[in-house]
Amino acid sequence: QKEVEQNSGPLSVPEGAIASLNCTYSDRGSQSFFWYRQYSGKSPELIMSIYSNGDKEDGRFTAQLNKASQYVSLLIRDSQPSDSATYLCAVYSGNTGKLIFGQGTTLQVKP
Amino acid sequence: GAVVSQHPSRVICKSGTSVKIECRSLDFQATTMFWYRQFPKQSLMLMATSNEGSKATYEQGVEKDKFLINHASLTLSTLTVTSAHPEDSSFYICSARPGQGGDNTQYFGPGTRLTVL
Repeated sequence: QKEVEQNSGPLSVPEGAIASLNCTYSDRGSQSFFWYRQYSGKSPELIMSIYSNGDKEDGRFTAQLNKASQYVSLLIRDSQPSDSATYLCAVYSGNTGKLIFGQGTTLQVKP
Repeated sequence: GAVVSQHPSRVICKSGTSVKIECRSLDFQATTMFWYRQFPKQSLMLMATSNEGSKATYEQGVEKDKFLINHASLTLSTLTVTSAHPEDSSFYICSARPGQGGDNTQYFGPGTRLTVL
């Protein structure tokens, strides 16, 4: 089992729809979780961090964390073609001091 | 806030030469910096972790004598690719972590695209 798992996609949604990106992790002791967006040919860009169970909203983005289920998700409301990118879920490992990345989910928003 | 720069953004060099890439945290002090490599359509691969004033810790399979990392200050880390060969052509990305107050967020630089001819 991979430490951080994401469906590689592509996930295709129409413009204006809600895109739901999911991530599971194996280390039950993890406390810090991050979502990054990476456009093709560019470096990752931080979208959100989340540390507590529940929802955290920032504009059109909502991160959801459920530590009991070891599950993190990112919702993108009113999806735009400019949201088309690869979304990376990352979990901080207290044991190693590193971020463990999922392989990323490619999102395609079609006009 | 939390801006990380990299220089150069793109470099083309001949096989056998050395290339230095700089990574700077512009508006915060980074206790730890990380160097990644990414090949086309592949995932980020962590190469090494560096803490200011100490030797870098390299991931398994990464040649420390080929990829020299120096973290001279809390705002600057450098990666030198020595005797570069075409197979070293890749997208090199650094990230920096403030670390203060338990903040484990990593902020990425824009990356350096290396092409070795």
